[in-house]
Amino acid sequence: DGGITQSPKYLFRKEGQNVTLSCEQNLNHDAMYWYRQDPGQGLRLIYYSQIVNDFQKGDIAEGYSVSREKKESFPLTVTSAQKNPTAFYLCASSTGGEAYSNQPQHFGDGTRLSIL
Amino acid sequence: AQSVTQPDIHITVSEGASLELRCNYSYGATPYLFWYVQSPGQGLQLLLKYFSGDTLVQGIKGFEAEFKRSQSSFNLRKPSVHWSDAAEYFCAVRDRGSTLGRLYFGRGTQLTVWP
Repeated sequence: DGGITQSPKYLFRKEGQNVTLSCEQNLNHDAMYWYRQDPGQGLRLIYYSQIVNDFQKGDIAEGYSVSREKKESFPLTVTSAQKNPTAFYLCASSTGGEAYSNQPQHFGDGTRLSIL
Repeated sequence: AQSVTQPDIHITVSEGASLELRCNYSYGATPYLFWYVQSPGQGLQLLLKYFSGDTLVQGIKGFEAEFKRSQSSFNLRKPSVHWSDAAEYFCAVRDRGSTLGRLYFGRGTQLTVWP
């Protein structure tokens, strides 16, 4: 079945350490997104990418970085500059482009990141 | 920029009771509208979506939502709630014709179901 796979499910970060969250999709979607979820705050957009080798900052990009070298993959790095990284991180994908703007986003099952 | 308001942070209903979750959006034109559900520790699952046409849309799990342009609302309803409906519900909107494809989410409504 097609879907989005996020790994690991749980991740722990030490002070001063960078960690990378994996997101892979086999839905042949062009667009991919990273969200951060904190209790009571809904989903906040970190980064998004419409095509390979291109991505844009979302609302809370500081302390995060991404790459989009392959259509299927959109890894998120939480850098040491992100001082409050403890959160639930969700990856999503959708068919991209204006003609497909009515298409919903599909979500992975998330990665929970905690500080040691 | 778009904004989405879900005024109820937490709702508690008895099993078998009816349910309505409220969603209001702020935007100059009618956007695309979505409702998602999230079980604890899981990702989001699409319940239903509104693009155009009939303002009452049906979704999965017995949910429906009604778009009211005059009120900029897209409320989610279910006639009879089941214990398995306990979850968090998110309303989301997207600009029509957006090439960026981003969604704007409300803060969510947590639903508790009493037996």
